[in-house]
This record gives sequence, C-alpha cells and structure tokens, in this order.
Amino acid sequence: DAMVIQNPRYQVTQFGKPVTLSCSQTLNHNVMYWYQQKSSQAPKLLFHYYDKDFNNEADTPDNFQSRRPNTSFCFLDIRSPGLGDAAMYLCATSSPGRGVSSYEQYFGPGTRLTVT
Amino acid sequence: AQSVAQPEDQVNVAEGNPLTVKCTYSVSGNPYLFWYVQYPNRGLQFLLKYITGDNLVKGSYGFEAEFNKSQTSFHLKKPSALVSDSALYFCAVEGGANNLFFGTGTRLTVIP
Repeated sequence: DAMVIQNPRYQVTQFGKPVTLSCSQTLNHNVMYWYQQKSSQAPKLLFHYYDKDFNNEADTPDNFQSRRPNTSFCFLDIRSPGLGDAAMYLCATSSPGRGVSSYEQYFGPGTRLTVT
Repeated sequence: AQSVAQPEDQVNVAEGNPLTVKCTYSVSGNPYLFWYVQYPNRGLQFLLKYITGDNLVKGSYGFEAEFNKSQTSFHLKKPSALVSDSALYFCAVEGGANNLFFGTGTRLTVIP
C-alpha cells in the first residue's frame, strides 16, 4: 500500500545533541510537510516543501531545519534540541491539483521525540 | 486569515447514541474544510472533506459532516457511536498554499 513512513517511531536525544528525523513516501506526492504536535494539541506546521521549494513558517525557530534530497524523502534536523522541543513530529504529504485527492494531507504515524 | 474553532475539548456519548463534534470556521472566500481523527500515538487519519457541492459530506467509518454556510459550521456526526470511535478529532481548513490550519481538537469518549 502507498503510504507515509516515519523513522524512528520513538527517538531519545540529549539536550543540545543534534537529531534527525526521517520521512519517506510512496505516494509520489510533490508536497511534504513537517508538523510539531505537543500533548494532544493541534499540529503546528513547521515548514513544507513544494517539490524542491522550501517554505518556512514565520514562527518556526532557526533550530529546526529540513532537507528534501528527492521526491520520496524528507528530513527534519533539530540542531540543538531543548527540553521544549519534546513532542510528536508528524510528516504529511499532499498532491495539490490532482483531482479528487487534492487538498487532502496524508500523515505518517509520527516520531515521538524525548529530550533528556 | 483562515481559522477553525472547536468549542468543546471533550465530548462524551454513550455507545449506540448519535454523536456530534462541533466545528466553526472563519475564512475569506470559499472554505475547504476537513476532519481528521487521531488515535493514541498515531498520525492523523483523513475522515472527510468539503470542497464544493452537496452540503452533506460522507466519509470514512460511517462519519458525515454538514457544511452550513449561514452558520459557518462544519459539524462532524455519526448516527450510532462505537467504543472504537473514541479518539481525538481535528477540524481543519485549507489556508492557501495547500496548508492546513487545525482546530484545537476534541476528545471523543464513547462510553460502553
């Protein structure tokens, strides 16, 4: 089945130690998103890629970076994690303008990040 | 700016009873509205959407939602709740550039 995959599902890192979360998709969607979700709150969009074009939300801290080396993969890099960065990180994809499935976002299972 | 509001943090309903999870929206132009469900430690799952057309939208797992332009609402409904429907429900609006703006979520608990 076509899907959005996130690895790892659980990640523990130390305060200040860089960490990378990964997302891959088999849907061939051209848009990929990263969201941060804390304690059953609404997901907060960090940034998204429309093909290779990177779109950063205005309030996303510089500590968060992203890479998209190809259509299938997208990475979230947290350069110096703080305790406040502990959260669930959700990856999603969409295919705008492609018929009935346009505008829907397809989410991966998430990576729960713990910062010690 | 596009936004949605979910006025209830928690909704409790007895199994077999109808359920409603409320959502109101504020948008400029025509709204594209969505409902997603999230089970514990999982990503969000798409339930249904309203883009245009019939005001009553049917989605996954027997859920439906009614778009009401005069009341700027998009309430999620199900005629008969199941215990397995217990989850966190998010209403969302497409905010341009294919971004979704989510409501704060409503936790639905179906009581056996």
